[in-house]
Amino acid sequence: GEDVEQSLFLSVREGDSSVINCTYTDSSSTYLYWYKQEPGAGLQLLTYIFSNMDMKQDQRLTVLLNKKDKHLSLRIADTQTGDSAIYFCAESMETSGTYKYIFGTGTRLKVLA
Amino acid sequence: EAQVTQNPRYLITVTGKKLTVTCSQNMNHEYMSWYRQDPGLGLRQIYYSMNVEVTDKGDVPEGYKVSRKEKRNFPLILESPSPNQTSLYFCASSLAKRGNEQYFGPGTRLTVT
Repeated sequence: GEDVEQSLFLSVREGDSSVINCTYTDSSSTYLYWYKQEPGAGLQLLTYIFSNMDMKQDQRLTVLLNKKDKHLSLRIADTQTGDSAIYFCAESMETSGTYKYIFGTGTRLKVLA
Repeated sequence: EAQVTQNPRYLITVTGKKLTVTCSQNMNHEYMSWYRQDPGLGLRQIYYSMNVEVTDKGDVPEGYKVSRKEKRNFPLILESPSPNQTSLYFCASSLAKRGNEQYFGPGTRLTVT
């Protein structure tokens, strides 16, 4: 079945790089996403990558996709205290013209000043 | 302002008392979805809708109903709530195209006693 796994916690020092990892099981995924959830709020899209790409960079964010190992990572350069949040990896699957989303458990990132 | 609104934001109810959580979006999005967020389980999709009068089950549809009579609204109905439906619920919407960003509402925290 479909499953997306992430480690639950990550702690880094301000200014360091953060790397949040995710593994997924469904090879038919078309897009893979990273969402950020700040305390008491809904989720906001950070970035996404199409499944035929290996890497995507957007300012401080770098997404790496290893399709063979079904592994997705999000690297945040120069991590700031404002980056403290829960980060969710998600995949979308298209079946018969409809889209289903599978989210991971979320990784709580804590940035230490 | 483009947004997804949910009401109520907080609800405490008793087992068996029917309730409806409303969701509305003003972005003319075709796709709408309901999720529940539980500690250690991440977000799980309950139901989704590709357009008016088109709804499909997500991963955890048991105990829930939805309807999509208008494009902007997608209410979540719990006919007979039970304590295991105590959770944080999010509504989301997007264009019904590959790779499109889902916009999330602020969440509804439901407690069933």
